[in-house]
Amino acid sequence: DGGITQSPKYLFRKEGQNVTLSCEQNLNHDAMYWYRQDPGQGLRLIYYSQIVNDFQKGDIAEGYSVSREKKESFPLTVTSAQKNPTAFYLCASTPLTGPGDYGYTFGSGTRLTVV
Amino acid sequence: AQSVAQPEDQVNVAEGNPLTVKCTYSVSGNPYLFWYVQYPNRGLQFLLKYITGDNLVKGSYGFEAEFNKSQTSFHLKKPSALVSDSALYFCAVRALNSGNTPLGFGKGTRLSVIA
Repeated sequence: DGGITQSPKYLFRKEGQNVTLSCEQNLNHDAMYWYRQDPGQGLRLIYYSQIVNDFQKGDIAEGYSVSREKKESFPLTVTSAQKNPTAFYLCASTPLTGPGDYGYTFGSGTRLTVV
Repeated sequence: AQSVAQPEDQVNVAEGNPLTVKCTYSVSGNPYLFWYVQYPNRGLQFLLKYITGDNLVKGSYGFEAEFNKSQTSFHLKKPSALVSDSALYFCAVRALNSGNTPLGFGKGTRLSVIA
């Protein structure tokens, strides 16, 4: 079945540690996105990529980094510079060809907790 | 610029009663509009979308939404609520001619259906 897979489901980070969240899709979608979800704040865009080897900052990119070496994969690294990383992280993808009326397909999320 | 407002953080409704979850938007030009639902610790699931055509859009699980251009609204409705409809609902928008601009999401409305 086609879909978008995020791993791990739960992740614990120690102070000063970098951690990487995985996002893989087999939908042949061009664009991929990372969102952060905090209670009462909805979804905030961290980074997005519309083509391999290219990506753009979203609204809250500070303290995060991404790569897009393959069309299927868009990992997110939460660096030690991110002072409040505890949140639910969602990855999404969408095709870009066609009339542009596609919504997003979301992964099931990764809950990151600082310990 | 694009933005979405969901004026209610929480909506409570009795099972069997009709429900409405409100959404207003702001875009330059004509909009693409979406509704998504999120269950606890899960990703967002697509419910329905408005592109062009009939102002009343029907979607999954008996939900529908009414597009009102003059009021820039896209309220989600269901004639008879179920307890299983209890979840977090997000409205999203992008402009028709915005290229590949990422979707803008509202902050979400928590729907609670009481038996």
